[in-house]
Amino acid sequence: NAGVTQTPKFRVLKTGQSMTLLCAQDMNHEYMYWYRQDPGMGLRLIHYSVGEGTTAKGEVPDGYNVSRLKKQNFLLGLESAAPSQTSVYFCASSYSLLTGELFFGEGSRLTVL
Amino acid sequence: KQEVTQIPAALSVPEGENLVLNCSFTDSAIYNLQWFRQDPGKGLTSLLLIQSSQREQTSGRLNASLDKSSGRSTLYIAASQPGDSATYLCAAYSMNTGFQKLVFGTGTRLLVSP
Repeated sequence: NAGVTQTPKFRVLKTGQSMTLLCAQDMNHEYMYWYRQDPGMGLRLIHYSVGEGTTAKGEVPDGYNVSRLKKQNFLLGLESAAPSQTSVYFCASSYSLLTGELFFGEGSRLTVL
Repeated sequence: KQEVTQIPAALSVPEGENLVLNCSFTDSAIYNLQWFRQDPGKGLTSLLLIQSSQREQTSGRLNASLDKSSGRSTLYIAASQPGDSATYLCAAYSMNTGFQKLVFGTGTRLLVSP
């Protein structure tokens, strides 16, 4: 049972380039999330999804887009990368929005030069 | 606005010691509070989840308590082992900042020496 899988694990971009991070979960969870983790700031929610075909903005959505075309996949896109988006990105999923524990992927480290 | 604070930022103890990690939150209107473990370069692993109606949860050598009135949660680790070395984060699921809002603390980095 793989749980939550993120690809790629590492990526270096130049300012202005675009890329997509893929998150896949095999637990049949309805809810999926994208967080970014920066030193001294904790994890911050970028976007989330409450089911296939739905997405919503979190705390820091600017500069990112997401899509949930299939229940098991949640994609995070950067259309024009900026150095401020250098971070570690985590995908998570849960079976319940209010009472369920979160299951995290191992993270994707992105550097924007 | 919900704020979650974890003090100290780092803690070093000898193996075998019992220890307590602290988590404070400013808004007591929470659905639940979760404790996570994060190893270097890895994702977060859920350790314990305490619903707002509960006072504590236990799993093995771990015990987490919740006191909403004082805005505090503690994670008690009994008989610490070097394998417990990691960063421990707490997160409060807040009612007043949007139902999807899980607010994380910045963590306590624990080092257990043999």
